[in-house]
Amino acid sequence: EVQLVESGGGLVKPGGSLRISCAASGFTYSNTWMSWVRQAPGKGLEWVGRIKRKTDGGTADYAAPVKGRFTILRDDSKNMLFLQMNSLKSEDTAVYYCTTDPYTSSSGGFEYWGQGTLVTVSS
Amino acid sequence: DIQLTQSPSSLSASVGDRVTITCRASQSITHYLYWYQQKPGEAPKLLIYAASKLQSGVPSRFSGSGSDTDFTLTISSLQPEDFATYYCQQSYKTPGYTFGQGTKVEIK
Repeated sequence: EVQLVESGGGLVKPGGSLRISCAASGFTYSNTWMSWVRQAPGKGLEWVGRIKRKTDGGTADYAAPVKGRFTILRDDSKNMLFLQMNSLKSEDTAVYYCTTDPYTSSSGGFEYWGQGTLVTVSS
Repeated sequence: DIQLTQSPSSLSASVGDRVTITCRASQSITHYLYWYQQKPGEAPKLLIYAASKLQSGVPSRFSGSGSDTDFTLTISSLQPEDFATYYCQQSYKTPGYTFGQGTKVEIK
């Protein structure tokens, strides 16, 4: 059974940093591109960024609102995904979901999702 | 970025009703359109992929149609567990996935 479990969310001040994590199991993690999707309170879904598998270069792509502030990392030895968030703004307040990326999914969509972790940016 | 516009933003319906939600893309996305269901406090769940294919385990009362810029999600007979928010999403432009703004289906 595929499982994605996020952790590390919390309250952080504007301008601060936070790293959230996602533990993956039940599939071949190293062969899978991974994405982060967020949802501000009461709002819709927004793609944040993705990281490719190492055989495709292991590089990451980001949505414009977070480019230059957020970094996606992966540790294939531990089946872990990370989102390092710097220079946080109030508009980054959201539930952050770890998901399998459409590129390596059989359907072409976001097939598997974690339960999400809430990041609140407030003074 | 490719914009996806859903209509309506919300609707009220009764159990047993036929419900239709539309999603319009700002440019052709061929068949790279996906539909998700999200209930309060839960992660989204993939319902339809490639515009019209039913994801494994999803009830057959859900169906999708369309191509290029105009797409439809239909629930043939609304059930109590279907009251939720529905989102469309495109994977045509990658990176740069985008979602529609959502359609909330409420009980009449």
